[in-house]
Amino acid sequence: AQSVTQLGSHVSVSEGALVLLRCNYSSSVPPYLFWYVQYPNQGLQLLLKYTTGATLVKGINGFEAEFKKSETSFHLTKPSAHMSDAAEYFCALQGAQKLVFGQGTRLTINP
Amino acid sequence: DTGVSQDPRHKITKRGQNVTFRCDPISEHNRLYWYRQTLGQGPEFLTYFQNEAQLEKSRLLSDRFSAERPKGSFSTLEIQRTEQGDSAMYLCASSLGEREVNQPQHFGDGTRLSIL
Repeated sequence: AQSVTQLGSHVSVSEGALVLLRCNYSSSVPPYLFWYVQYPNQGLQLLLKYTTGATLVKGINGFEAEFKKSETSFHLTKPSAHMSDAAEYFCALQGAQKLVFGQGTRLTINP
Repeated sequence: DTGVSQDPRHKITKRGQNVTFRCDPISEHNRLYWYRQTLGQGPEFLTYFQNEAQLEKSRLLSDRFSAERPKGSFSTLEIQRTEQGDSAMYLCASSLGEREVNQPQHFGDGTRLSIL
């Protein structure tokens, strides 16, 4: 079975600090991996995706993620946090047609 | 590109009533998905259509739930005899593809259902 685990349900960083949100996955086939962001009372917005090829993936709003097969990880980073980054972040794995999501990480930015 | 549209945004109803939600996908997308998201959790897959054919249903989709996508355009999700546990955000997503499983899914803003 495929699964996604996000380490840390809540991450708090200062404005301008590095953002690191952790995601580990389990999959018996080569994974397609995604990060989505969700603002309050809204749907999910795609930040970035990994399918094949380059393991360092750049997304919108300055976010990037690195696929590490040996560690079964797909951590999300941003060099400098901005107040507007405060939101819920979800890592997801594409299983056949459906997405399998982690439980989410709430990111809080301190001024 | 007007995005995925869901209606209504909020629905409050009494336990035992029936409710129906609508999703209009991005116009050229042939795949449509329904997910359910409860508070503090990630979305969970409910069902998926390719064009008008419903190809997969989750075990979460009890016999009180039914989804349709007539003519392969908009979709409806109906819940009959609602229960307290049905309170959640219901998300619709759409994507494009036949064999390309890696096309990203685009989500609507969801319908939040509250059961009194």
